[in-house]
Amino acid sequence: KAGVTQTPRYLIKTRGQQVTLSCSPISGHRSVSWYQQTPGQGLQFLFEYFSETQRNKGNFPGRFSGRQFSNSRSEMNVSTLELGDSALYLCASSLTTGFYEQYFGPGTRLTVT
Amino acid sequence: GQQLNQSPQSMFIQEGEDVSMNCTSSSIFNTWLWYKQDPGEGPVLLIALYKAGELTSNGRLTAQFGITRKDSFLNISASIPSDVGIYFCAGQLRETSGSRLTFGEGTQLTVNP
Repeated sequence: KAGVTQTPRYLIKTRGQQVTLSCSPISGHRSVSWYQQTPGQGLQFLFEYFSETQRNKGNFPGRFSGRQFSNSRSEMNVSTLELGDSALYLCASSLTTGFYEQYFGPGTRLTVT
Repeated sequence: GQQLNQSPQSMFIQEGEDVSMNCTSSSIFNTWLWYKQDPGEGPVLLIALYKAGELTSNGRLTAQFGITRKDSFLNISASIPSDVGIYFCAGQLRETSGSRLTFGEGTQLTVNP
């Protein structure tokens, strides 16, 4: 069974731009969660999507948003990029919401210059 | 702020030695999970714990869910060079919903052959 895939793997953007990251969960998994990983803050929860609805949201500004499609694939968008948004963005899938065994993708390394 | 304290931050051991790391919190967790992350990759799920007092093994790895529901430990026996990486504890706080995980700061493990 294929694992979680994320595209692109690497991205370089300029401050003020926006970016869209994509995540395809494991086949059959319907919940997708997004995390931001930085050296200073560690792994922090961004949001969770299940059945095309945001079920949970972390403490991030409104510039961070996401959505989920009917095939469970998810995208996250960051608008008006700031230097501090440079991070590894990880997507994790699980069978359903409230099921805590989450399987992570390889991440998208975003660098904001 | 950070709700999980993971220790030690780093460990340098000789191949064949046993390793122990732990996570503590002032809050109650419903679930504890342990992940390993290699450079440039997403975290890989090692062990999931669901009940207070539960002791679970996965090969050379053993983890326990503390009786108070506020701590967990991970032991690695007879370490080998491929055990090198960052180990994270993660859990779901009792007061949260969905699949939101809170992560520890990580333990960087180095194994000298």
